[in-house]
Amino acid sequence: AQKVTQAQTEISVVEKEDVTLDCVYETRDTTYYLFWYKQPPSGELVFLIRRNSFDEQNEISGRYSWNFQKSTSSFNFTITASQVVDSAVYFCALAAFTGGGNKLTFGTGTQLKVEL
Amino acid sequence: NAGVMQNPRHLVRRRGQEARLRCSPMKGHSHVYWYRQLPEEGLKFMVYLQKENIIDESGMPKERFSAEFPKEGPSILRIQQVVRGDSAAYFCASSPGERETQYFGPGTRLLVL
Repeated sequence: AQKVTQAQTEISVVEKEDVTLDCVYETRDTTYYLFWYKQPPSGELVFLIRRNSFDEQNEISGRYSWNFQKSTSSFNFTITASQVVDSAVYFCALAAFTGGGNKLTFGTGTQLKVEL
Repeated sequence: NAGVMQNPRHLVRRRGQEARLRCSPMKGHSHVYWYRQLPEEGLKFMVYLQKENIIDESGMPKERFSAEFPKEGPSILRIQQVVRGDSAAYFCASSPGERETQYFGPGTRLLVL
């Protein structure tokens, strides 16, 4: 069985602060993918990133960066110089390939509030 | 390239009525997934379909819920005899292949009175 834990329910920061959202996962599969999705107040789900289990290289995209560490089963997401528009719920998700298909197992999400 | 489309965006039903939620995948995507987001909970997988086939329905409630993805037309999630506990946001996602990234639609918010 797969499990994703996002221990931070809610985080509040002031604009321009850096913030890290934690994600810890559990799976017995050796091949899997990890994802981050953003759900802004408007409610849609926006894909941010996908990493596969064989690629531990960290990734940076603008103000966003991701740190994948298999040794600690973590896939943390950092927003540098946060902005009000970053306010949203962020979901970490895991897809493993037992039995076909790649259904996503989501964490419970972290509500990020960025204030002026 | 249009994204995943879902309609209606909002749906109100009275207890005992039927709800039909539609999902049109992105162009070129033949894999469709349905997820449910209950209030105060994360997203939970319901069902995975390819054209005319249900691949994995391990997350579907045993009764009242069904899904299809016909050869022509959108995927349909059908809820019969709705109850208040069915009130939730229902999201559809699509991908071009089995191990590809899933892209989500805007969701359908179902409210059962």
